Amino acid sequence: QVQLVESGGGVVLPGRSLRLSCAASGFTFSNYAMHWVRQAPGRGLEWVAIVSYDGRHKYYQDSVKGRFTISRDNSKNTLYVQMNSLRAEDTAVYYCARAGSGWTGDYWGQGTLVTVSS
Amino acid sequence: QSALTQPASVSGSPGQSISISCTGTSSDVGDYNFVSWYQQLPGKAPKLMIYDVSNRPSGVSNRFSGSKSGNTASLTISGLQAEDEADFYCSSYARNSTLLFGGGTKLTVL
Repeated sequence: QVQLVESGGGVVLPGRSLRLSCAASGFTFSNYAMHWVRQAPGRGLEWVAIVSYDGRHKYYQDSVKGRFTISRDNSKNTLYVQMNSLRAEDTAVYYCARAGSGWTGDYWGQGTLVTVSS
Repeated sequence: QSALTQPASVSGSPGQSISISCTGTSSDVGDYNFVSWYQQLPGKAPKLMIYDVSNRPSGVSNRFSGSKSGNTASLTISGLQAEDEADFYCSSYARNSTLLFGGGTKLTVL
């Protein structure tokens, strides 16, 4: 069965960096684009970024452009997001999701919490 | 990149049908048949309920259905059950290669 497991969350000071990982199993990882989606406490879902199946194409939400970098290692079945210059408003649970038809998120991980606070 | 517009809350009694709307623009919902709907139970990850406007993933009850007219998509839940109580989110692919989510709708089963 499809399984996505995020890790790397924690408490970080404003302006610092953090890298999240998402380990995939149960499907051919290299055949699918992958998303990062976040959810601030008590708020709705917010799309962050997507990377194509081969890592060549990447798209970002405006508020994270230039600060976040999505990447993948198909040899390790792992998705990443490098988050730099973190702000308080980046505080959220970060989910990875497999991208299906029309960029739908057809399978989701359980999420990892990132708290940006001094 | 404005979010899609959903009602903050809807409610219904067991056995009734309810619909949740998701309004976008001609650059997203109106231009692509790539609207999805997700159910999120408290403290859990979102679960895909509808994709490509009206398709149900394997395992999702046929009480859930989706449709679209112009810039507005809708999720309909028929035969409402207590376990349907959750937050529901729509999403749509949008021009300039972005993904938009709605603000979410809290469904209460009375």
